[in-house]
Amino acid sequence: EPEVTQTPSHQVTQMGQEVILRCVPISNHLYFYWYRQILGQKVEFLVSFYNNEISEKSEIFDDQFSVERPDGSNFTLKIRSTKLEDSAMYFCASSERVGRPRGDEQFFGPGTRLTVL
Amino acid sequence: GIQVEQSPPDLILQEGANSTLRCNFSDSVNNLQWFHQNPWGQLINLFYIPSGTKQNGRLSATTVATERYSLLYISSSQTTDSGVYFCAVEMNTGFQKLVFGTGTRLLVSP
Repeated sequence: EPEVTQTPSHQVTQMGQEVILRCVPISNHLYFYWYRQILGQKVEFLVSFYNNEISEKSEIFDDQFSVERPDGSNFTLKIRSTKLEDSAMYFCASSERVGRPRGDEQFFGPGTRLTVL
Repeated sequence: GIQVEQSPPDLILQEGANSTLRCNFSDSVNNLQWFHQNPWGQLINLFYIPSGTKQNGRLSATTVATERYSLLYISSSQTTDSGVYFCAVEMNTGFQKLVFGTGTRLLVSP
């Protein structure tokens, strides 16, 4: 069964460093997302991406964050200068298409646990 | 924005018991999904259920969209069912972001 994959599974970085989290969405999916979950809290939406541009972003997704689809398979989240509060589990997700009136099922990757020291 | 509330926040069961988890949401939704977050932090898709009832083994879910709630039933619980259960909804706004509830933490003891 196709699945979303993410690398690395765990990343440790120093405050102020740049990190790139990588995702390979399910191959025929057209919508891509990043979510994050601070330890012990609920999962929060960061950004959605469709047709090579951002569809929607949350207040969390400030200028320190960027997303890119550098080729036909990868989808990346870059944090330019990490802060302690960026420590969280980051999930990538993808969905097949915009299926109105119903939304489409989103499939989540296993997550990347980011620790900022 | 939409409010998604789950109850109970914590639940402790003996193995073999049944349980019902509830998700209330404050506005019309296009999509509702249930997830199980395992001890390793992975989010496992359980159900995509904007409306109606679905069953998968010992789990079943019902969403009554007109009354803005969804229920997840776990029957004959096993220790491997332990973890956090999240519901997540997509609002009827034209965007596809999921808004997650605060979760129900389930512990099934042997």
